[in-house]
This record gives sequence, C-alpha cells and structure tokens, in this order.
Amino acid sequence: DGGITQSPKYLFRKEGQNVTLSCEQNLNHDAMYWYRQDPGQGLRLIYYSQIVNDFQKGDIAEGYSVSREKKESFPLTVTSAQKNPTAFYLCASSPGTHEQYFGPGTRLTVT
Amino acid sequence: SQQGEEDPQALSIQEGENATMNCSYKTSINNLQWYRQNSGRGLVHLILIRSNEREKHSGRLRVTLDTSKKSSSLLITASRAADTASYFCATDVSSGSARQLTFGSGTQLTVLP
Repeated sequence: DGGITQSPKYLFRKEGQNVTLSCEQNLNHDAMYWYRQDPGQGLRLIYYSQIVNDFQKGDIAEGYSVSREKKESFPLTVTSAQKNPTAFYLCASSPGTHEQYFGPGTRLTVT
Repeated sequence: SQQGEEDPQALSIQEGENATMNCSYKTSINNLQWYRQNSGRGLVHLILIRSNEREKHSGRLRVTLDTSKKSSSLLITASRAADTASYFCATDVSSGSARQLTFGSGTQLTVLP
C-alpha cells in the first residue's frame, strides 16, 4: 500500500447523509485518483487531480465531490445524490510516470 | 467505460502449475499494465508493457502484447498459493499530461496447495 493511507477502513452511514473519505499520501506525487469498485468488478474512475487546486471528473462523477487544497490530500465526499453509494473506494497516486500506487481502500456501507 | 476485458473470469490451478490470463481492449493504447489485488485490499502494480514492446519479463511474470489483435496475456510460472488474488489489466490511453487508466473486470486466480 506504499505511502498512501485511507481512513477509515470501514464506514457505515445512513441514507441521505453525506460522508467524506480521507486519502493522504507522503510520496510527493502530483497526480491523485479516486476509484469505485463493486463486487466482482473492475475499477471505475470517479475523479482525478493532476495538481493542487485542480481536478477533473472521471467516468462516474455524479453524486461525488472532491477537493485538492494540499498536494498530500485528496478527500472524496459521497453526497446524498449518489444513488447507490455502497461500494469499495480506492485512492491512488502517481508520480507522473505511468504506474499508480494504491491505498488500502475504504469499504462504505449505506443503509 | 470498460476498455479491458479479462479472460477467464476465474481460474483455479494447482501449486506449481502455470497460470495464463488474457486481456482484450478496444482502442489504441500508450501502454498496458497489470495489477494484482488481494481480497479487500488495494491494487499493486506488477508490470507495464509499452505499445512498441511485444514481451516483458519480471521474475515469474511474463507479459505479451499484440497490438494488432488488441490483446495481452499475463503468464505466472510455477504458481504458489500466495499468488491467489485478482489480476487486472489496465490500459493507458491518455493524451497530453492527463494520465488515466481504464481497468478491466479482472481474473480471480486461486492456487490450490
């Protein structure tokens, strides 16, 4: 999992509540990413950021929001507008070369 | 959009046997990468092969790339129980400085002791 931390490992929320997932890296990487993984599926890109104070929507950005105020941090907010938020969320960073380094993930359950 | 599709979806072999997983994709790529994911964990980068390369080795891993067929294969030789995991291919079709990967749905490999 390298120098990327995600907290908490498990998160439970009631439907209708916003929730923020933390992602911190000490690898001095410029680019950071958020993915969603559903059971038995691959990863789908939610948002990504190449530099501080800049971020772009991925394939499934609806119902999510992000911020990138510091190079080390890229928090993801799952809003009440996300229709099916229960999933495994993975954060990654990249030094600008091609490979990505992943955090351990946060499993979000919304009931 | 799912650019890469792995085949098979699941593979079960005995320890010591070789495991081969395949990945097909749809559009031209800059490179193709393979990642491993243990259950409930993050992904770990295994190997990257560029579009102008045909084969690459890393330890017990061998990756091939056929751009004319838009396909890649990952071979794990002399498998071990610890190789049990899901394996994903990811294609890099980025342009400019915005690097993005598109992941396939993965192959679940089980190596029986």
